[in-house]
Amino acid sequence: AQSVTQLGSHVSVSEGALVLLRCNYSSSVPPYLFWYVQYPNQGLQLLLKYTSAATLVKGINGFEAEFKKSETSFHLTKPSAHMSDAAEYFCAVSEPQGGGSYIPTFGRGTSLIVHP
Amino acid sequence: GAVVSQHPSWVICKSGTSVKIECRSLDFQATTMFWYRQFPKQSLMLMATSNEGSKATYEQGVEKDKFLINHASLTLSTLTVTSAHPEDSSFYICSAAGAGREQFFGPGTRLTVL
Repeated sequence: AQSVTQLGSHVSVSEGALVLLRCNYSSSVPPYLFWYVQYPNQGLQLLLKYTSAATLVKGINGFEAEFKKSETSFHLTKPSAHMSDAAEYFCAVSEPQGGGSYIPTFGRGTSLIVHP
Repeated sequence: GAVVSQHPSWVICKSGTSVKIECRSLDFQATTMFWYRQFPKQSLMLMATSNEGSKATYEQGVEKDKFLINHASLTLSTLTVTSAHPEDSSFYICSAAGAGREQFFGPGTRLTVL
């Protein structure tokens, strides 16, 4: 069974500061891992994904995430926060279910607040 | 990335009526689509997995007779909330599965049942 834990429902940073959003997962097989961003009253957009290639994955808007198998983590970072980064961020894991199908599991989300 | 649309973006209906929400993949064929429900300040709750040409697979606790899902083509899945009640008010989001297991999400539909 797979699960995702996002530590901290809210993260508050100053504009220009480092952004670190934490995600830990559990999976019985090598997982596919994702980060999505959701702006108010909108659907989710894919930020980046890990699919067993390079462990450091670069995404859109300057975000990147590093897959650490030993820590079962996939934390999201950005060197310098911008006001426009304020949004809800979701970590997700996907495991195969057999027959080529898969079920995604989402974390509870972390709200990123950026102060001027 | 691929584009997924949802219609309507918001709907208000009276209690007891049915509401249909459409989810379309505009520039690719999606054999699998997912329907989620999201409450304010909460994560997405997977309701069902919709596969083209077959019956949807519902998650535990989701009433299949209340939330009817039809995936009649590779670009269209519909969710019908039957006999809607105020507790069905929520933000409904669909997604289409990409080849790399990523999902492309629609913009969501805000349902308010009076």
